[in-house]
Amino acid sequence: GAVVSQHPSRVICKSGTSVKIECRSLDFQATTMFWYRQFPKQSLMLMATSNEGSKATYEQGVEKDKFLINHASLTLSTLTVTSAHPEDSSFYICSARDLTGRNQPQHFGDGTRLSIL
Amino acid sequence: QQQVKQSPQSLIVQKGGISIINCAYENTAFDYFPWYQQFPGKGPALLIAIRPDVSEKKEGRFTISFNKSAKQFSLHIMDSQPGDSATYFCAASPEFWGKLIFGQGTELSVKP
Repeated sequence: GAVVSQHPSRVICKSGTSVKIECRSLDFQATTMFWYRQFPKQSLMLMATSNEGSKATYEQGVEKDKFLINHASLTLSTLTVTSAHPEDSSFYICSARDLTGRNQPQHFGDGTRLSIL
Repeated sequence: QQQVKQSPQSLIVQKGGISIINCAYENTAFDYFPWYQQFPGKGPALLIAIRPDVSEKKEGRFTISFNKSAKQFSLHIMDSQPGDSATYFCAASPEFWGKLIFGQGTELSVKP
């Protein structure tokens, strides 16, 4: 079945550093990938829609200069949290849409647990 | 604006019982309604989904009931098992491939 891989699965870093999270579709091509954030015991909130070869579309209230998204190929999107602070600590999850399968739903990665000290 | 409302927030069911989770939506442009299961530390996994042109869909022990006029849909888990203990999210999207709006989630615990 379709697999979406996220790396790293967990990262702990100091306040002020920048962190890059990768989202890869392993066995299909994805023109569109979505980035979600989930705080403990809460729902998934869409942050942005990442389109291959073009600028990402950010949801209202999400700072595009803080959460940099790059979708350089049909199998890879990256989310960079710049100058991360403790309030950015969260579970970041990506999903990808299969380019070729009209009836294929979004496939989710297993998330990245980000902890900012 | 919360576009998808989910209830209950938590649910405890005995093994073999029926688990029922409800969702209501506001946006009549929504055209795709999936349910996801999420275990701790993992991403959500698609369980079952429905389009508004049908009122019910069943896959194994999981059934979605859909009421378009009331703008409500629900997930029924028959013969609930301890392995079903997880958090369940309903979601909605204006198109099959579009961005998903998630409900608040229901933490299900199935007691042996």
